[in-house]
Amino acid sequence: EAQVTQNPRYLITVTGKKLTVTCSQNMNHEYMSWYRQDPGLGLRQIYYSMNVEVTDKGDVPEGYKVSRKEKRNFPLILESPSPNQTSLYFCASSLKAGVPGELFFGEGSRLTVL
Amino acid sequence: AQSVTQLGSHVSVSEGALVLLRCNYSSSVPPYLFWYVQYPNQGLQLLLKYTSAATLVKGINGFEAEFKKSETSFHLTKPSAHMSDAAEYFCAVSVPNTNAGKSTFGDGTTLTVKP
Repeated sequence: EAQVTQNPRYLITVTGKKLTVTCSQNMNHEYMSWYRQDPGLGLRQIYYSMNVEVTDKGDVPEGYKVSRKEKRNFPLILESPSPNQTSLYFCASSLKAGVPGELFFGEGSRLTVL
Repeated sequence: AQSVTQLGSHVSVSEGALVLLRCNYSSSVPPYLFWYVQYPNQGLQLLLKYTSAATLVKGINGFEAEFKKSETSFHLTKPSAHMSDAAEYFCAVSVPNTNAGKSTFGDGTTLTVKP
């Protein structure tokens, strides 16, 4: 089954404790992206990747890191989480970079930073 | 820069009534436009997309949208609402070869369907 898998789905952590949210897709997609969803603000792009070893900042990259060492994986790293990073996070992928196409989304990771 | 405005953060209709969710876009070049639906505790899934072919686009679950260049709109409609349509809906715009084909999303519209 074609899918984007995120883990963990739910996480409560404390300020400053490093965490990683994993994302994996099994569709051989070139393009992957992370979004955060906050009430009334829609989805805002954090980082994106056009292919292996190619990543770039989105609209709200502060406080986040990413890597793309393999085509299928695109982890989101919070080196020192703060309460303003409490949010619902989505990983998404698309077949080709540079060509607008359907985004396939994971089920989301709800993060709470105390 | 591309942008999307969804008019009305909450829309409530009765079961069987027309559903109309509004989306206006801004883009300096012909855009691609998408509607996504998000059910509770799930990720977004594509309802339909416009990619410069037919201006009236049909999607899943009886939804359709019409691209109107003169009005810079891409409103989503469904003739008869069903209880299962209750969800949050997002309009998105993307421009070929710009920002890696990034999709920019609206703020979302929550649809409530009353029995």
